[in-house]
Amino acid sequence: EAQVTQNPRYLITVTGKKLTVTCSQNMNHEYMSWYRQDPGLGLRQIYYSMNVEVTDKGDVPEGYKVSRKEKRNFPLILESPSPNQTSLYFCASWTGSHEQYFGPGTRLTVT
Amino acid sequence: GQSLEQPSEVTAVEGAIVQINCTYQTSGFYGLSWYQQHDGGAPTFLSYNGLDGLEETGRFSSFLSRSDSYGYLLLQELQMKDSASYFCAVFTGRRALTFGSGTRLQVQP
Repeated sequence: EAQVTQNPRYLITVTGKKLTVTCSQNMNHEYMSWYRQDPGLGLRQIYYSMNVEVTDKGDVPEGYKVSRKEKRNFPLILESPSPNQTSLYFCASWTGSHEQYFGPGTRLTVT
Repeated sequence: GQSLEQPSEVTAVEGAIVQINCTYQTSGFYGLSWYQQHDGGAPTFLSYNGLDGLEETGRFSSFLSRSDSYGYLLLQELQMKDSASYFCAVFTGRRALTFGSGTRLQVQP
């Protein structure tokens, strides 16, 4: 089954404790993205990747890092999480067809 | 930068037709997409307009006018399961999507 998976689905952590949210897709898509979703603000792009070792900042990259060492994986790293990074995070992948496939989401709470 | 405007909420009855409008201002524009998101779920792709005109997919249609920086999503024969949030999103030259803040559609019996 074609899908994008994210782990963990739920995470509660404390300020400053480094964390990684994993994202994996099995569709051999070139492009992958991370979004955060906050009430009333829609989805805002954090980072995206055009292929292995090629990444670029989205609209809200501050406080986040990404890497793309393999085509299927695109982890999101929060080196020192802060409460304003409490949000719902989505990973997505796509080819040139414009249809983005989203993962199930990761709800992160930073206290 | 990019900005998209869409209504925050729309209410309609089962069987009716509803139109959700989206206006955008972008630097670099490749096309307009629409996504549906049910509460607690992930966004799912509905349609994409790269050229002016109407695209139809079953009960859903989407329209784009590049000259007016305007598009809409038309939902016909509304069903209760169509209650969800609908997002317009623009593809820019950075191969990235910028989303609007979403329209919450409530379908009433």
